[in-house]
Amino acid sequence: NAGVTQTPKFQVLKTGQSMTLQCAQDMNHEYMSWYRQDPGMGLRLIHYSVGAGITDQGEVPNGYNVSRSTTEDFPLRLLSAAPSQTSVYFCASSSVKGQFYEQYFGPGTRLTVT
Amino acid sequence: AQTVTQSQPEMSVQEAETVTLSCTYDTSESDYYLFWYKQPPSRQMILVIRQEAYKQQNATENRFSVNFQKAAKSFSLKISDSQLGDAAMYFCAYRRGDSNYQLIWGAGTKLIIKP
Repeated sequence: NAGVTQTPKFQVLKTGQSMTLQCAQDMNHEYMSWYRQDPGMGLRLIHYSVGAGITDQGEVPNGYNVSRSTTEDFPLRLLSAAPSQTSVYFCASSSVKGQFYEQYFGPGTRLTVT
Repeated sequence: AQTVTQSQPEMSVQEAETVTLSCTYDTSESDYYLFWYKQPPSRQMILVIRQEAYKQQNATENRFSVNFQKAAKSFSLKISDSQLGDAAMYFCAYRRGDSNYQLIWGAGTKLIIKP
């Protein structure tokens, strides 16, 4: 199993550009989420999904869109990049079976917006 | 709203010694789960240890153990026999015990291992 994969690993955008961060998991997990990580702060939830066709907003959703057309994929779209979106982005997935709902993380994408 | 606080931005320890990282949380829930994640320079988030709030026994994973004090809302991580590979950011995280899957994260503690 590849686990959770993210592409690209690094990206530089100009203000106003749009792009999609890709996330895929091969563990058949129902739950997927996107976080951003900024210096001196914990991870903050952007959007999440509890299954194909179902998405919801997290703590910091503004400026981002998501969709979940398949169980495996959960792309994050930046509509019009701003310097405030410079961050490291993590995708995570979790099974909703068992009790811990342990989250598995991708390797992250470092995004710089100039 | 639940919050997680890690009051130590940075800690250092001599190789082979023991270090304890602090974490406190605030919640009115009685059913919840707590986690410690490690983030080495590679950026990969790795689950270190987890604890159910309803269990009084502290979780242990090899050299890693927790001191879970439910009444004090404290969840510290003890690393014994520290190794150079333990150098990383460590994050404490909380999840409610219902079907809510969301994790609430602390700001992290940077652990430095001195050879």
